Amino acid sequence: GQQLNQSPQSMFIQEGEDVSMNCTSSSIFNTWLWYKQDPGEGPVLLIALYKAGELTSNGRLTAQFGITRKDSFLNISASIPSDVGIYFCAGQDSGNTPLVFGKGTRLSVIA
Amino acid sequence: GAGVSQSPRYKVAKRGQDVALRCDPISGHVSLFWYQQALGQGPEFLTYFQNEAQLDKSGLPSDRFFAERPEGSVSTLKIQRTQQEDSAVYLCASSLGMTSAPLIYEQYFGPGTRLTVT
Repeated sequence: GQQLNQSPQSMFIQEGEDVSMNCTSSSIFNTWLWYKQDPGEGPVLLIALYKAGELTSNGRLTAQFGITRKDSFLNISASIPSDVGIYFCAGQDSGNTPLVFGKGTRLSVIA
Repeated sequence: GAGVSQSPRYKVAKRGQDVALRCDPISGHVSLFWYQQALGQGPEFLTYFQNEAQLDKSGLPSDRFFAERPEGSVSTLKIQRTQQEDSAVYLCASSLGMTSAPLIYEQYFGPGTRLTVT
């Protein structure tokens, strides 16, 4: 099935560093979402973006909905150990429709 | 309130056995989605319901997969004659999905059922 292109696949960073990851698609989405998944758990919604160009923050997390509607990025500032996990981007066509996910970015934080 | 719950959390089946996976959505959520997540991959859509109506089942990989939501709340995903390639985590998500406001379309996931077919 269709999946978004998410990069990088994995990151190893020092505690306190900033992190940036992005997601691109060959097709347009009207909503972009970012989820975090811990081992053995389901994805947890972090940020949802509804308008092209929108920049939204949630604590140390900031995400942007690309102008072309074909990309999005997520930044994490001042990383801490509990940021460890897999981050997924997801696109949604409109309304109450299924999500299309990227393959994930695995984040490891070195204390 | 309670989130999405799924049971069992883990299931081991011998090849050829039938399995049934259950999802309890958040109370009052109209829409329910099933996704399959292979190891090292992102979730992939299987099927979804609005109340008891199955609106899209285009993601079901074969006719061995069947989902139902007879009373518009709890849903069951059934896999008949399981094969090794069915081994994956099966995730359920629900959303309010009732009006045009975008917030009510946000999907909340359960912990998943890890299915291993031996």
